[in-house]
Amino acid sequence: GAGVSQSPSNKVTEKGKDVELRCDPISGHTALYWYRQSLGQGLEFLIYFQGNSAPDKSGLPSDRFSAERTGGSVSTLTIQRTQQEDSAVYLCASSSAPRLTSGGFEQFFGPGTRLTVL
Amino acid sequence: AQKVTQAQTEISVVEKEDVTLDCVYETRDTTYYLFWYKQPPSGELVFLIRRNSFDEQNEISGRYSWNFQKSTSSFNFTITASQVVDSAVYFCALSEPYSGAGSYQLTFGKGTKLSVIP
Repeated sequence: GAGVSQSPSNKVTEKGKDVELRCDPISGHTALYWYRQSLGQGLEFLIYFQGNSAPDKSGLPSDRFSAERTGGSVSTLTIQRTQQEDSAVYLCASSSAPRLTSGGFEQFFGPGTRLTVL
Repeated sequence: AQKVTQAQTEISVVEKEDVTLDCVYETRDTTYYLFWYKQPPSGELVFLIRRNSFDEQNEISGRYSWNFQKSTSSFNFTITASQVVDSAVYFCALSEPYSGAGSYQLTFGKGTKLSVIP
C-alpha cells in the first residue's frame, strides 16, 4: 500500500512569510507525528496526534508553530512568520495505534519537506 | 545529558568487513522501547528494528544483528559482511511512553554515518 506522503517536497520562502506543510499518513494509521531534522539539532520531535485525543505539543519550539489533523487523517503543520532558523527538513510519520504491551509502535516516515527560509 | 548517545559520528569500512554501531541510552523508566532507523542518501528514514525493554533477547536478521544489554544501557547494531548499499546514516531512538504526556514520540541519537568502500 501507499506510504506516508508529504507535500511539497521542497519549499523556499522569505523570512516573515507563513508556510503550510502537508502530511498524508498511511491509511488506517491513527497515530501521526511531526519531526524536524536540521544539521545543528538532529532529529527533533514536534507534535503527536493519536485519534481524537488532545495532541502532545510538547516539542513545538515556539508559538509560531501549530498543527492540526482533520478527520483523523491528513495533517497540516503551519509555521507563521518564518525565521531562518526554521530551515530544516520536516518529517511526518505515522503508526498504527500504539499498544504498550506489544507492537504498533513502528513509525513509518514520509520523504520530508525541505524548508528553506531566505 | 543526551538521552540517546551515538558516539561514533562517522565510520568507514571496506566492503565485506563487519561493523558495529554503538548506541547508549538513558531512561528512568522500567518499560521503554528502542529502535534503529536507516537513512540512505535518498533521505527517507527506514525502520529496521524495535526492541522492548522487557525482552533482552538479541535478534538477527540476515546480515544485521542487535545486541541489547540493559546492564550497560546499550543497544548496539552489527552489520556483518558490509555492502556498499549499507552506506547510510543510522539512527538509534528511544520511546518512553510512560513518561511525561505518555506520548510515543521518538528521541533520536545524532546518528552514525556509515560509508562502505568498495
